[in-house]
This record gives sequence, C-alpha cells and structure tokens, in this order.
Amino acid sequence: AQSVTQPDIHITVSEGASLELRCNYSYGATPYLFWYVQSPGQGLQLLLKYFSGDTLVQGIKGFEAEFKRSQSSFNLRKPSVHWSDAAEYFCAVSEYSGAGSYQLTFGKGTKLSVIP
Amino acid sequence: NAGVMQNPRHLVRRRGQEARLRCSPMKGHSHVYWYRQLPEEGLKFMVYLQKENIIDESGMPKERFSAEFPKEGPSILRIQQVVRGDSAAYFCASSLQEYNEQFFGPGTRLTVL
Repeated sequence: AQSVTQPDIHITVSEGASLELRCNYSYGATPYLFWYVQSPGQGLQLLLKYFSGDTLVQGIKGFEAEFKRSQSSFNLRKPSVHWSDAAEYFCAVSEYSGAGSYQLTFGKGTKLSVIP
Repeated sequence: NAGVMQNPRHLVRRRGQEARLRCSPMKGHSHVYWYRQLPEEGLKFMVYLQKENIIDESGMPKERFSAEFPKEGPSILRIQQVVRGDSAAYFCASSLQEYNEQFFGPGTRLTVL
C-alpha cells in the first residue's frame, strides 16, 4: 500500500523568507502527486499537481514543486512567503485502488506559521 | 462556475441520532469521493461514487455508514446511530474523470454530543 510522509509537523518562517515543505511517498509506479492547502475551518484547495512530463511543476499563489523519482520526493517550495500563506499543507498521492477508484492517500500535513 | 458545495457546514447530533451530509459536485463532474478528517489521523478515503453507482467503498466503516449518488440531486453520506467517535470533518471531492485531480468542498463538521 502506498504511503505519504510529511516529516515536518510544524514549520515557522519569517515573512519574505523562502519555504520548502518536504514530502516523501512510497509507491511502485509513477504516481500522481498533489499538494493541497487548508486554512482553518476550510476545505482543501489544490495548489499543484504532477501527472507526468516536466518534473518541476508550477502552481497557484507562487508555489512550485519538484518530483524526484530517485528520492521518492515531491517537495513544495516558495521563494518568498507571505503572511497569508499561513495554513496547513497536505501532500497526496493518487493510485488506482484496484477496486475502481483513484483515491487519494494524504500525508499528515505540515502546519505553516508565518512571523511578520 | 460554482465549486463543490456541501451542506450543512456544521451539524450537531446526539448519540443515536442520524446524520445526513450532502454534497453537490462541480458542474460537469460525475465522480464523487468522500473523505473523513479525524484529529491525529489526518484525511482518510471513505467511498467513491459515480452517478447511481458505488464504485469503491473500501474505506467506509462496515456498519452504520452508507453513501449514495442518485441520478438527480446531491450525493448523500448517511451515518446512522451516531457515536462520539464519528465527530470529525467530512469532505466531499469531485473530479471530471476518475483519474483527474479532485476538487474539495468546504466540508461538514459533525459534532456528536
């Protein structure tokens, strides 16, 4: 079974600093990979996705992520963090379940705090 | 273009009552997924439906939980005889095709007293 690991539970950065959130997955084939963001009390918003092709993918709000097959990683980056980026970030993998669905398997999430 | 709609946003039930959660997918989407977010456990898949069909319910508890997605109207997640452990946020997501990215609704936060 596939799994997703987000090793950092909580990260604090200063506004304007760069950000990297780590994500590692275990999956045999080439996975479909996603990053979602969740603000308190809200739903999940899709930041970006990787299906195939260029391993550096651009998303919304200035985020990007790089797929590295050799490291089984899909880390999320942003060059300059804004206070409004404070939220919880989830990495997810989609795999055909064998029972007919492409269900998402999520990491436990990384909570980002931004210091003014 | 409206996103995924869920209602109610908050639902309070007493133990033993029924909870009924509704989800309207994005326009043009016929694939619906339900996930549950429990404290300390994260987001877990429950069930995947297409119109009038349950495709994959491997993540659904075997008792008290059921889901449907009728030809007309929203998808419904139904929890009978709720217990305190059912308190969680329940999210619905929809996609254009089964392998496409999933778009999430705002969730229903269920509290069982």
